[in-house]
Amino acid sequence: AQSVTQPDIHITVSEGASLELRCNYSYGATPYLFWYVQSPGQGLQLLLKYFSGDTLVQGIKGFEAEFKRSQSSFNLRKPSVHWSDAAEYFCAVAPSGGYQKVTFGTGTKLQVIP
Amino acid sequence: NAGVTQTPKFRVLKTGQSMTLLCAQDMNHEYMYWYRQDPGMGLRLIHYSVGEGTTAKGEVPDGYNVSRLKKQNFLLGLESAAPSQTSVYFCASSYLNVLTFGAGSRLTVL
Repeated sequence: AQSVTQPDIHITVSEGASLELRCNYSYGATPYLFWYVQSPGQGLQLLLKYFSGDTLVQGIKGFEAEFKRSQSSFNLRKPSVHWSDAAEYFCAVAPSGGYQKVTFGTGTKLQVIP
Repeated sequence: NAGVTQTPKFRVLKTGQSMTLLCAQDMNHEYMYWYRQDPGMGLRLIHYSVGEGTTAKGEVPDGYNVSRLKKQNFLLGLESAAPSQTSVYFCASSYLNVLTFGAGSRLTVL
């Protein structure tokens, strides 16, 4: 069965600093990978996705993520964090092809300090 | 373009009461899902549907039932609510593996 691990429950960064959120997955083949963001009281919004091809993917709001097959990782990065990036971030995995069952990690809550 | 709409947004129930959460999407998506979100647990799939008239169990289906009589609607029912069902419930629909979520329904069972 597929699974997703987000080892950091909570991260605090200063505004303007760089950010990396970690995500490791377990799946037998190359999966589809996603990052979603959830602002307080809101539903989840897709930041970016990886299906195939270039392993560095760009998303909305200046985020990017890199798929590393050898490490089974899909870490999310942003070079300079803004106060509005404070939210909870979820990594997710789905089987490539077939029916669309998405499994989510437990989330990383990002706090941004001035 | 409303996307995915959930009603109600908030509800308080007493143990043993029943209720239905309604999810409506206007994107003509085949796939629809109900998740629950609990602190430290991420999102867990309750039930899903791959098309009108079809439903299937997710990883935490006990205590819930669903129906998909129309393509655009996916209903989640609690027949006899329990305090363990206190949670935030999210409906989503998907196309090409990308999920679009509703804003959530916060349910408290006393």
